[in-house]
Amino acid sequence: NAGVTQTPKFQVLKTGQSMTLQCAQDMNHNSMYWYRQDPGMGLRLIYYSASEGTTDKGEVPNGYNVSRLNKREFSLRLESAAPSQTSVYFCASSEGQGGSYNSPLHFGNGTRLTVT
Amino acid sequence: GDSVTQMEGPVTLSEEAFLTINCTYTATGYPSLFWYVQYPGEGLQLLLKATKADDKGSNKGFEATYRKETTSFHLEKGSVQVSDSAVYFCALSPGGTSYGKLTFGQGTILTVHP
Repeated sequence: NAGVTQTPKFQVLKTGQSMTLQCAQDMNHNSMYWYRQDPGMGLRLIYYSASEGTTDKGEVPNGYNVSRLNKREFSLRLESAAPSQTSVYFCASSEGQGGSYNSPLHFGNGTRLTVT
Repeated sequence: GDSVTQMEGPVTLSEEAFLTINCTYTATGYPSLFWYVQYPGEGLQLLLKATKADDKGSNKGFEATYRKETTSFHLEKGSVQVSDSAVYFCALSPGGTSYGKLTFGQGTILTVHP
């Protein structure tokens, strides 16, 4: 199984440009998530989708939008990129109530984004 | 709010050495605790987990015990291998409807030399 697939792997943007990060999972999971990983700060939740058709803000949603296109796909959009959004972005999925003991997260391999 | 603190890294060991990575947490209620591992160029993978006090999670020779009295979940392995070189993250999940709202520590880089 491919698991969680993210595209692209790398991206360089200029300040003010927009882009969409794509994520797809083939595990028939209900819940999907976007995290960002910054040095010395662990991972922080940007947005999540508990089920198809719903999305909610996480800890650091400002400057981002998401779309749960269908059960498989969950995209993250940066409308006007800023240098503070330079980070590694991870998509994750879980069968049910993600992060709980019985429903751990499955992560993609990440997108490394640089905003100049 | 909830928080997780891991020992500062990086940690460098020789093969077959004993490993400890300290993790302490602050949380209300009764969180579940996790260790995730990130190998170079990959996403995070669940390594082990524990849901209540005195539970011991174990996997691939790694162990961690949920210590409520010291609010700790230290990761240990008796004999590390070169293939264990990775970044290790301690995390907690609050009780109730958490929906991926894991709180992660900052990560500890482990390098094992032959």
